[in-house]
Amino acid sequence: GQNIDQPTEMTATEGAIVQINCTYQTSGFNGLFWYQQHAGEAPTFLSYNVLDGLEEKGRFSSFLSRSKGYSYLLLKELQMKDSASYLCAVREGAGSTDSWGKLQFGAGTQVVVTP
Amino acid sequence: DADVTQTPRNRITKTGKRIMLECSQTKGHDRMYWYRQDPGLGLRLIYYSFDVKDINKGEISDGYSVSRQAQAKFSLSLESAIPNQTALYFCATADRPNQPQHFGDGTRLSIL
Repeated sequence: GQNIDQPTEMTATEGAIVQINCTYQTSGFNGLFWYQQHAGEAPTFLSYNVLDGLEEKGRFSSFLSRSKGYSYLLLKELQMKDSASYLCAVREGAGSTDSWGKLQFGAGTQVVVTP
Repeated sequence: DADVTQTPRNRITKTGKRIMLECSQTKGHDRMYWYRQDPGLGLRLIYYSFDVKDINKGEISDGYSVSRQAQAKFSLSLESAIPNQTALYFCATADRPNQPQHFGDGTRLSIL
């Protein structure tokens, strides 16, 4: 099993930057996903990191440090529509046991964007 | 049309009833998953399947069963529903282990 920790809630102003941290403790690791989930809706994929470093996609960036068991999601130029829950998910297993692509999810970070 | 379709979208039922939640996909993915989501607990894996002959228990499978009728269909059953199974249930699919999972719109289940 794995422990995945992320803050419960963060508040930021429209146009600002917010960084959502995720730490994990794992016996096996094959990558980390970030998903966005608006209230009552399905999670939607944002980013995937399997190697150390920063991945940038428009206003969203994600960083991974495997040695530290740490990732963050950076949201720039915040918009009201970015108010949502952001889920960190670790891909479990290693080698042949990873053929199912199972994910372990954190509880999610609720981001509230204020005018 | 949605690539991953869940039915019903909402269901209210009574303790002890048998319930089936259905999931169908048009993405052609082999891997399918059932999760439940509770406030403050995130998504937890109930069952997962690689193909019709491969069914595996997840983190919280007690009280649930599944059927993979075809590559495109994966159903979740609650044989005798209890109130603490009230939750939001999601079905998801994936093409490969390192590809994102694609979620259906969810089924909101309330057991009285």
